[in-house]
Amino acid sequence: SQQGEEDPQALSIQEGENATMNCSYKTSINNLQWYRQNSGRGLVHLILIRSNEREKHSGRLRVTLDTSKKSSSLLITASRAADTASYFCATDTGNQFYFGTGTSLTVIP
Amino acid sequence: NAGVTQTPKFRVLKTGQSMTLLCAQDMNHEYMYWYRQDPGMGLRLIHYSVGEGTTAKGEVPDGYNVSRLKKQNFLLGLESAAPSQTSVYFCASSFLGRSPTDTQYFGPGTRLTVL
Repeated sequence: SQQGEEDPQALSIQEGENATMNCSYKTSINNLQWYRQNSGRGLVHLILIRSNEREKHSGRLRVTLDTSKKSSSLLITASRAADTASYFCATDTGNQFYFGTGTSLTVIP
Repeated sequence: NAGVTQTPKFRVLKTGQSMTLLCAQDMNHEYMYWYRQDPGMGLRLIHYSVGEGTTAKGEVPDGYNVSRLKKQNFLLGLESAAPSQTSVYFCASSFLGRSPTDTQYFGPGTRLTVL
């Protein structure tokens, strides 16, 4: 399966700290996207990085992509309690769209 | 602009019953998707549609049927529900689907329990 896997499965940090989560996948991709899901809600798109890009920033988010290792990381800087959510990576292979299993982030005020 | 809406929000079925989940989007998107989300499994694609009148199978299509009679609506049907179909179902849409910068917009989900 192409399904990505996030690591760690769960992460708990203090407000103000940085949070890093990783995503690994198996086959070549067109792009990789990160989504956030608040409890009981749908997913919300955060950021997209194309296969020919290595790093991208959006506000407090920083995404890196290493296609040789088939991995990506999402860094959230200066975390806030409102960042508490599950985070999913999603890979677009050109044929289909695959979501990972998610990282559950808890930011303690 | 409501985005993507799903009906109903919650449903409890008995084994063997049938039901239809409705997804509607008002963004004039071409592509629409149905996913199921189970604990520890992430989201898995059930069926998708690349335009009005077209449908295609995703990763886990068995036990489900879909229809896209109108561009703005995408229906997911369960003909004979089974306990294994207990899940949270999400609908999503995207403008083109195959653009390298396209993203998906998700509905709020439908929580289905099959007893």
